[in-house]
Amino acid sequence: EDQVTQSPEALRLQEGESSSLNCSYTVSGLRGLFWYRQDPGKGPEFLFTLYSAGEEKEKERLKATLTKKESFLHITAPKPEDSATYLCAVRTSGSARQLTFGSGTQLTVLP
Amino acid sequence: NAGVTQTPKFQVLKTGQSMTLQCAQDMNHEYMSWYRQDPGMGLRLIHYSVGAGITDQGEVPNGYNVSRSTTEDFPLRLLSAAPSQTSVYFCASGRTFSSYNEQFFGPGTRLTVL
Repeated sequence: EDQVTQSPEALRLQEGESSSLNCSYTVSGLRGLFWYRQDPGKGPEFLFTLYSAGEEKEKERLKATLTKKESFLHITAPKPEDSATYLCAVRTSGSARQLTFGSGTQLTVLP
Repeated sequence: NAGVTQTPKFQVLKTGQSMTLQCAQDMNHEYMSWYRQDPGMGLRLIHYSVGAGITDQGEVPNGYNVSRSTTEDFPLRLLSAAPSQTSVYFCASGRTFSSYNEQFFGPGTRLTVL
């Protein structure tokens, strides 16, 4: 059974204090790892897709990396507007038509 | 483009009532899906469709029906609502069912079953 675990569950940072969120996975045949951002009361918004170990993607203050067992979402010099819940999800060869989501990390950036 | 739209935004039902959650997309996407989101459990797939006339079950399909008569619409039907179906429901669509396409989510429907 595919499993996705995100840590920490919640993270509070001061503005400008860089940190990383973790997404570890146990799956058979990874076909893609996805990061989403979700603001309160809204649907998830797509950020990145990573396909193979060693791959990196960047967008503004966010950088996503992938290894064979986990992915990291690095947040550099965060601002209060980066506050949101960050979700990761995987698509696998056994469930190629479905996404399996982690439970998310709730990030709060204090001014 | 409006993207993925969902109606209603909020709904309160009594146990045993039935209703349909509406979902539409204007991006000509083949793939559409329904998720429910509960605190501490993440998003769980209910049903999905890879094209008009084709649907399949996800992780938690019991108590829900779907149909896909057009590319644009993918309604979710609750047959006999139960308190365990209190949740936030999200519809999503993707260009194809290929592994490499991201999904776009609607704004959600918050359902309470009394």
